[in-house]
Amino acid sequence: EAGVAQSPRYKIIEKRQSVAFWCNPISGHATLYWYQQILGQGPKLLIQFQNNGVVDDSQLPKDRFSAERLKGVDSTLKIQPAKLEDSAVYLCASSLIQENTEAFFGQGTRLTVV
Amino acid sequence: QKEVEQNSGPLSVPEGAIASLNCTYSDRGSQSFFWYRQYSGKSPELIMSIYSNGDKEDGRFTAQLNKASQYVSLLIRDSQPSDSATYLCAVRGNNDMRFGAGTRLTVKP
Repeated sequence: EAGVAQSPRYKIIEKRQSVAFWCNPISGHATLYWYQQILGQGPKLLIQFQNNGVVDDSQLPKDRFSAERLKGVDSTLKIQPAKLEDSAVYLCASSLIQENTEAFFGQGTRLTVV
Repeated sequence: QKEVEQNSGPLSVPEGAIASLNCTYSDRGSQSFFWYRQYSGKSPELIMSIYSNGDKEDGRFTAQLNKASQYVSLLIRDSQPSDSATYLCAVRGNNDMRFGAGTRLTVKP
């Protein structure tokens, strides 16, 4: 079974530039999460989708971050414009819709803003 | 604001000892609880899940859940140097999954 796919693995951009990350979840997983993990901290939930609907985006900085999952499968997270403090690993995870199921993570995208 | 708190560590134990990791959560509606292990530079990987009060054992790992106290713990018996990693507590409920800050464990040979 294929795992969660993310791209790119690494990205270096200058502040005020834009960047996009892509995630393809495990087949059949209706729930998709985007997390931001700053070095030395735990993953912070940015946005959660169920199919193509947003369930929770309370911690997404909406003035600069956006995300979509148009067909209920793959998803894109965008940052525009990027700030230095956005430097982090962006993790995508997916799970079945039932609550007593775990989330599986992709390899993440390491973003460096200079 | 839903919170998941972990003892920040770092925690250092000698090889062969028991490592004890603790986690508390604020949302009483939480239903599912997970422990993930994260090696440096890698993504989190699941090591234990627990859904009902009590203990759940899997090899050298035991997860304990007390919903009344909103507390979940992980015991690692016979700790090995390969267990050195950051352990993340995750809580799922009411349509989200949130993580604690993690506890960094070092097992010294």
